[in-house]
Amino acid sequence: NAGVMQNPRHLVRRRGQEARLRCSPMKGHSHVYWYRQLPEEGLKFMVYLQKENIIDESGMPKERFSAEFPKEGPSILRIQQVVRGDSAAYFCASSPGWDRGNTDTQYFGPGTRLTVL
Amino acid sequence: GQNIDQPTEMTATEGAIVQINCTYQTSGFNGLFWYQQHAGEAPTFLSYNVLDGLEEKGRFSSFLSRSKGYSYLLLKELQMKDSASYLCAAPTSGTYKYIFGTGTRLKVLA
Repeated sequence: NAGVMQNPRHLVRRRGQEARLRCSPMKGHSHVYWYRQLPEEGLKFMVYLQKENIIDESGMPKERFSAEFPKEGPSILRIQQVVRGDSAAYFCASSPGWDRGNTDTQYFGPGTRLTVL
Repeated sequence: GQNIDQPTEMTATEGAIVQINCTYQTSGFNGLFWYQQHAGEAPTFLSYNVLDGLEEKGRFSSFLSRSKGYSYLLLKELQMKDSASYLCAAPTSGTYKYIFGTGTRLKVLA
């Protein structure tokens, strides 16, 4: 069973460009979460999605950031007009959801390290 | 408020036992998770506690006291490969939004 996949692993962008980060959840998982981790800091929740629905985006900056999880294909975190402060590791996690009577543990992908020049 | 506190750094010797503490304040309680994160890698799931007491899994054990808002991760027979950050996390009232501590960076010395 393949784990959570993220690509690219490393992404370099110049200020003002767009960054697109992709996440494919673990097989059988329908819930996707995005987190941001700055150096020497903890993981910060950004957004929680299910297929075709954004459930909670309370951790997302109001401007320039958006996320989607289409019916087909990976979840995408999109950052428009990147600034230096966006440089961070972005982790995606997936879980099967509580409706399966389990603990809904989140499993993390390897992350995308975004560097804004 | 919602908050998770854990020590920033700890050092221990190969073969020893180390206890990493975590205190939490969350709105509602839906269990407490421990993750291990090696530098530059993804957090990997270690344990989940929802009931009071000790859960043992090989060299790693995790303890929870809900009345005290306290948990610890116990690592026995430390190995060099255990050098990593250990993250304490708790879901908030929505059950999906994890609040993470900043992590405890453990250095295992030979």
